[in-house]
Amino acid sequence: DQQVKQNSPSLSVQEGRISILNCDYTNSMFDYFLWYKKYPAEGPTFLISISSIKDKNEDGRFTVFLNKSAKHLSLHIVPSQPGDSAVYFCAAWGGADGLTFGKGTHLIIQP
Amino acid sequence: KAGVTQTPRYLIKTRGQQVTLSCSPISGHRSVSWYQQTPGQGLQFLFEYFSETQRNKGNFPGRFSGRQFSNSRSEMNVSTLELGDSALYLCASSSGQGIYYTEAFFGQGTRLTVV
Repeated sequence: DQQVKQNSPSLSVQEGRISILNCDYTNSMFDYFLWYKKYPAEGPTFLISISSIKDKNEDGRFTVFLNKSAKHLSLHIVPSQPGDSAVYFCAAWGGADGLTFGKGTHLIIQP
Repeated sequence: KAGVTQTPRYLIKTRGQQVTLSCSPISGHRSVSWYQQTPGQGLQFLFEYFSETQRNKGNFPGRFSGRQFSNSRSEMNVSTLELGDSALYLCASSSGQGIYYTEAFFGQGTRLTVV
């Protein structure tokens, strides 16, 4: 059973616009969430995180929102740049299995 | 500050052989976790070591094992390799007393191909 779900395998956004990547989770024990960016054949690069006691965390162009009651989080990238094209993984701590990852969303930034 | 280092970057092995992968965490980090990434399953947790002790283990067969040394470096071993073990193996290190509530930083991974 998938505890962290990223329901959009891919997302195409025009350069300069906002990219919104979504993530849902089912395990109530999760209490710390992270977003990673990944290029092919490389390890994931940490982007931003949020604790369950907060509903928003911002770092430059990246903002993560957490809706704990809906068990939903989202990553906003504004403005989107060509270098943002990559696979984005949502991950959660708090379960028994280390970091639990979603299956990723491939973000494509179009010129 | 050096990042997480994994060696080797690429490996080709034959079915039935065994393999050992190495991970050197960020200096000062005491927690090392291992993950397997495959196209169909995404990133899956293998196990986590903290201060030379395995603290958590994912749902993988006993052929997958690991250890951590006193300098926090970790090795992962897979015995009796199967074709399905072909994957990108990632190591992550974290600081602090535990693995929770901290960012985990990943190495570039070891691409294992079993033929």
